[in-house]
Amino acid sequence: DGGITQSPKYLFRKEGQNVTLSCEQNLNHDAMYWYRQDPGQGLRLIYYSQIVNDFQKGDIAEGYSVSREKKESFPLTVTSAQKNPTAFYLCASSIGTGPLYEQYFGPGTRLTVT
Amino acid sequence: DQQVKQNSPSLSVQEGRISILNCDYTNSMFDYFLWYKKYPAEGPTFLISISSIKDKNEDGRFTVFLNKSAKHLSLHIVPSQPGDSAVYFCAASGRAGGTSYGKLTFGQGTILTVHP
Repeated sequence: DGGITQSPKYLFRKEGQNVTLSCEQNLNHDAMYWYRQDPGQGLRLIYYSQIVNDFQKGDIAEGYSVSREKKESFPLTVTSAQKNPTAFYLCASSIGTGPLYEQYFGPGTRLTVT
Repeated sequence: DQQVKQNSPSLSVQEGRISILNCDYTNSMFDYFLWYKKYPAEGPTFLISISSIKDKNEDGRFTVFLNKSAKHLSLHIVPSQPGDSAVYFCAASGRAGGTSYGKLTFGQGTILTVHP
């Protein structure tokens, strides 16, 4: 079954710790994305990658880092520099970049930092 | 700066009636618009889209209308079904800010509840 998996579903961390969120896709998509959703707000783009070994900052990249060593994997690290890390994080992928390519989303990871 | 706005946080509709979800945008560089649907504990799924060269796009029970002069789009669901109960996000893309990437800018979402 093709799709996007994000693990874990819920993640709890202490303030000051870095944490890495996993995103894997078996759709053979070139492009992958990380979004953040906060209550009452839409999805905001953190980072995106158009191809392996390449990625660009989105609107709210500060305090986050990513890597794209494999086509199917795009992990997101929430660093201690991120001031408000508690949020719902969504990973997505698409065949290519651009609005005409439908983005497929994973189920999300809810991160709580205390 | 919220470039895409969904001013109604929630909407409640009776089964069989029409649901109308609204979305406004401020950036005139947006030229492609999408609607996504999201169930609890799941990621959003693509529903329907429209290019700025059109003013209407229909797919089964779902129709999206675009009014470029008013910078407004709406999603009509007819007839509404209980299974349509979800959060609906509108999103916009285009050469905003000079990028050709086509980044999606999302609205805040509207919670639709369809009562049996």
